[in-house]
Amino acid sequence: NAGVTQTPKFRILKIGQSMTLQCTQDMNHNYMYWYRQDPGMGLKLIYYSVGAGITDKGEVPNGYNVSRSTTEDFPLRLELAAPSQTSVYFCASSRTGEGDTQYFGPGTRLTVL
Amino acid sequence: AQSVAQPEDQVNVAEGNPLTVKCTYSVSGNPYLFWYVQYPNRGLQFLLKYITGDNLVKGSYGFEAEFNKSQTSFHLKKPSALVSDSALYFCAVRELGGYNKLIFGAGTRLAVHP
Repeated sequence: NAGVTQTPKFRILKIGQSMTLQCTQDMNHNYMYWYRQDPGMGLKLIYYSVGAGITDKGEVPNGYNVSRSTTEDFPLRLELAAPSQTSVYFCASSRTGEGDTQYFGPGTRLTVL
Repeated sequence: AQSVAQPEDQVNVAEGNPLTVKCTYSVSGNPYLFWYVQYPNRGLQFLLKYITGDNLVKGSYGFEAEFNKSQTSFHLKKPSALVSDSALYFCAVRELGGYNKLIFGAGTRLAVHP
């Protein structure tokens, strides 16, 4: 199993550009999550999904959109990139039980200039 | 409001000495608590979790954590630190409201010196 994979690993965007961060898991997990990690701030939840076709906002959703058309994929879309979106983005997945472990991808480091 | 606090930004330990990374939480009801480790330029790796049962939880790489309900703490420990343990450690608590969402602490950087 590859686990959770993310692409790209690094990206530099100009203000106002858009991009999609890809996330795929091969563990047949129903729950998937997107976090951003800022220095000294821990991880903040952006969006999450409890199954194909079902998504909901987390703590910091502004400026982002998600979709979940399959169990495996959970892409994160940035429509109009802003410097405040410079961060490291992590995707994670878990089974559906409360207390089930979340498994993380390797992250995407995004810089908006 | 639910929250997790990691009171130390950095912990410095000599190799071979015991280490403790502190975590306190504030949640209603029974907490589900987690520890993750992040090595440079890598994703988070799961170390251990407390759901119920024995207050001393053993995890990966020789780490363990003690759940203390009266002190609302879940400190991470290891009897003998290795230089390779140097990393960023995150404590997390399950958020009430379902869907297995986690609230993370700000992280503690562990530096183990030879």
